[in-house]
Amino acid sequence: EAQVTQNPRYLITVTGKKLTVTCSQNMNHEYMSWYRQDPGLGLRQIYYSMNVEVTDKGDVPEGYKVSRKEKRNFPLILESPSPNQTSLYFCASRVDRASYEQYFGPGTRLTVT
Amino acid sequence: ILNVEQSPQSLHVQEGDSTNFTCSFPSSNFYALHWYRWETAKSPEALFVMTLNGDEKKKGRISATLNTKEGYSYLYIKGSQPEDSATYLCAFLSYNTDKLIFGTGTRLQVFP
Repeated sequence: EAQVTQNPRYLITVTGKKLTVTCSQNMNHEYMSWYRQDPGLGLRQIYYSMNVEVTDKGDVPEGYKVSRKEKRNFPLILESPSPNQTSLYFCASRVDRASYEQYFGPGTRLTVT
Repeated sequence: ILNVEQSPQSLHVQEGDSTNFTCSFPSSNFYALHWYRWETAKSPEALFVMTLNGDEKKKGRISATLNTKEGYSYLYIKGSQPEDSATYLCAFLSYNTDKLIFGTGTRLQVFP
């Protein structure tokens, strides 16, 4: 089954404790993104990657890192999480930058205390 | 700054009513317009990807139109059902960027 998977689905952590949210897709998509969703603000892009070893900042990259060592995986790293990073996070992928629809992972609900 | 606006923010209709909502986007450098359906506690799912001015797409009772010259798209739901209750998101892709810019969505609730 074609899908985007994320882990963990729920995470409660404390300020400053490094964490990684994994994302994996099995559709051989070139383009992958991370979004955060906050009430009233809609989906905002954190980082995106157009292919292996090619990543770029989205609209809200501060406090986040990503890597794209393999085509299927695109982990999101929070080196020193802060309470303002409490949010719902989505990983997404699509074939390439063109007009194909985007597939979203199930979401990760992160709470930083 | 590219801005995508959706209206209304929320909508409550009775089962059987037809409804429509609007997505406004920049009319310059248009590449594609996406519509997604997002149910509570799930992830957004693609409904349509529209690329040509005048495009009309249909999936069951849901259809969408596109006007790239004036920068708007309409999503129509005919004979709304309670299972149509969801947030409907549109997203704009321009030639100048690789980023999909999302609107904040229209939240639809259909009452039996």
